Amino acid sequence: DAGITQSPRHKVTETGTPVTLRCHQTENHRYMYWYRQDPGHGLRLIHYSYGVKDTDKGEVSDGYSVSRSKTEDFLLTLESATSSQTSVYFCAIRETGYGYTFGSGTRLTVV
Amino acid sequence: DQQVKQNSPSLSVQEGRISILNCDYTNSMFDYFLWYKKYPAEGPTFLISISSIKDKNEDGRFTVFLNKSAKHLSLHIVPSQPGDSAVYFCAASASGSARQLTFGSGTQLTVLP
Repeated sequence: DAGITQSPRHKVTETGTPVTLRCHQTENHRYMYWYRQDPGHGLRLIHYSYGVKDTDKGEVSDGYSVSRSKTEDFLLTLESATSSQTSVYFCAIRETGYGYTFGSGTRLTVV
Repeated sequence: DQQVKQNSPSLSVQEGRISILNCDYTNSMFDYFLWYKKYPAEGPTFLISISSIKDKNEDGRFTVFLNKSAKHLSLHIVPSQPGDSAVYFCAASASGSARQLTFGSGTQLTVLP
């Protein structure tokens, strides 16, 4: 199994502040994804990456940016956090086939 | 507009009986379907998948059925066990676009002892 870790696991931040979430994988998988999970919506794709410096938008990308300067790290940044971005954020990698392996998630609360 | 729908937010079944979770999709370009299971405070974990060229895939107690004409898939768990209590997400992908997974809203399954 690929190692995939997310940090931090929990974060409380104030409205208007920037926040960066980190996803780290221990193998050289090309595809990485950021999702958010909200009640009634399941998991929705925010951004994804198909290689170093190669990223694209997902379904709910407004208010988020990403960066991937190394294969193993995929960063999600909330430029100016809002209460609507309170959510649980999951990073995922695509190992083989078409399924994903998910990290344990980051619970973000914007107050 | 949700392309993958799970219309039942919750389902309760008795231990030992069959659990049937349902999922509908609207995008005819989807050609691969997956089920994920999620426990509280953990990430979703892969359970079982099916390609659109098949109509059934079985793995132990878990079977997924695909009805392409109805754009419907279902997950059967037999027999259900208390440890199966979790949220189940249906997901689908189409070729291209980095094989993005589109998820349903999930069904909370509770297996009663």
